Amino acid sequence: GNSVTQMEGPVTLSEEAFLTINCTYTATGYPSLFWYVQYPGEGLQLLLKATKADDKGSNKGFEATYRKETTSFHLEKGSVQVSDSAVYFCAPFSGNTPLVFGKGTRLSVIA
Amino acid sequence: SQTIHQWPATLVQPVGSPLSLECTVEGTSNPNLYWYRQAAGRGLQLLFYSVGIGQISSEVPQNLSASRPQDRQFILSSKKLLLSDSGFYLCAWVPGTGENTEAFFGQGTRLTVV
Repeated sequence: GNSVTQMEGPVTLSEEAFLTINCTYTATGYPSLFWYVQYPGEGLQLLLKATKADDKGSNKGFEATYRKETTSFHLEKGSVQVSDSAVYFCAPFSGNTPLVFGKGTRLSVIA
Repeated sequence: SQTIHQWPATLVQPVGSPLSLECTVEGTSNPNLYWYRQAAGRGLQLLFYSVGIGQISSEVPQNLSASRPQDRQFILSSKKLLLSDSGFYLCAWVPGTGENTEAFFGQGTRLTVV
């Protein structure tokens, strides 16, 4: 099955700082890669995705590039805001295999 | 459009009492369904997943069980709750087409066992 290694949090940044959250994976077949975000007290929602090698997913200023050679999908944002404070989950997904997530990285952005 | 309903939103139950959490999906057929638990400050632990009616795979043996009596209904149960069952429970679905598509999550149930 698939597995994910995600950098441990919590990550605390000042507003407008640069963000990187590392994610590496092992997967069956050729997975699609996803980043999900969880705001306090809520379920997860999709942040961005990439479906093939070298694709770049982007949304709300966040970006991640599908690196097949290094089996990585690192999340980046050039200038974080207080509203980005949340828990971020990386997830590879290969069709009918169980959907598994990394342990999540808690991001706190302070003004 | 597709929708996922999960209830209740919060629940406080005494140790030893039974549990039933329900999740229903609308607007799709033959989804793959998932139950996850998230302990305080922890990641998502996959508990059960189902690729069809009556088909349940258990990822972690514990005090819980799951059932799928209908195509778009997924129920998480326990006969006797333990303190360690406290946590945030999330239901999710993905299309059962074998494609690598995104997952859709319910809003979660916060369970406190006292």
